[in-house]
Amino acid sequence: SAVISQKPSRDICQRGTSLTIQCQVDSQVTMMFWYRQQPGQSLTLIATANQGSEATYESGFVIDKFPISRPNLTFSTLTVSNMSPEDSSIYLCSVEWVRRNTEAFFGQGTRLTVV
Amino acid sequence: AQSVTQLDSQVPVFEEAPVELRCNYSSSVSVYLFWYVQYPNQGLQLLLKYLSGSTLVKGINGFEDEFNKSQTSFHLRKPSVHISDTAEYFCAVSGTSGTYKYIFGTGTRLKVLA
Repeated sequence: SAVISQKPSRDICQRGTSLTIQCQVDSQVTMMFWYRQQPGQSLTLIATANQGSEATYESGFVIDKFPISRPNLTFSTLTVSNMSPEDSSIYLCSVEWVRRNTEAFFGQGTRLTVV
Repeated sequence: AQSVTQLDSQVPVFEEAPVELRCNYSSSVSVYLFWYVQYPNQGLQLLLKYLSGSTLVKGINGFEDEFNKSQTSFHLRKPSVHISDTAEYFCAVSGTSGTYKYIFGTGTRLKVLA
């Protein structure tokens, strides 16, 4: 298993500002993902964070709004840019190893409220 | 393409009673199946997973599941629930090859009553 630390755990931000969320894993992992969980809804994949290259975004998500970095195999950041109240969600980091008989592990999430 | 449907948004049940949380899926490819639990203000924790083999899967905290391939269902069961089982439960699928994306259901809120 893996210990995944997300920072901050929660934040309240003004609209128009940006917030960077950090995800730190205690061991090297192959795959890192960022999910969004809007209030009362399920998880939606935002993007796959690729080490050393640009992230792969899902339909409906763009790099200008959600820039992602992954400088090494244990760390990634997600920035929520030019925030609006609609961005109020829980953002979760997830990791998985390339061996396919394992499962995804999740951080505790960042609860973001935009006012 | 894959999709996951959790048939109940909320399930109230009395303590020590049995519970079943229902999950159906559709997929054009082989999938792995997962149940995750989310306690208040926490991330997701794996309850159990079905990769292959026996269709009866036992997970943590006394939960179990039976995979029914013909009906494409993966219902979560527990013979006797506890107050501490109150949480949100998510069913998810992931393809056995290709990308590592997880498709999640909309979640079922289990509320255990004293």
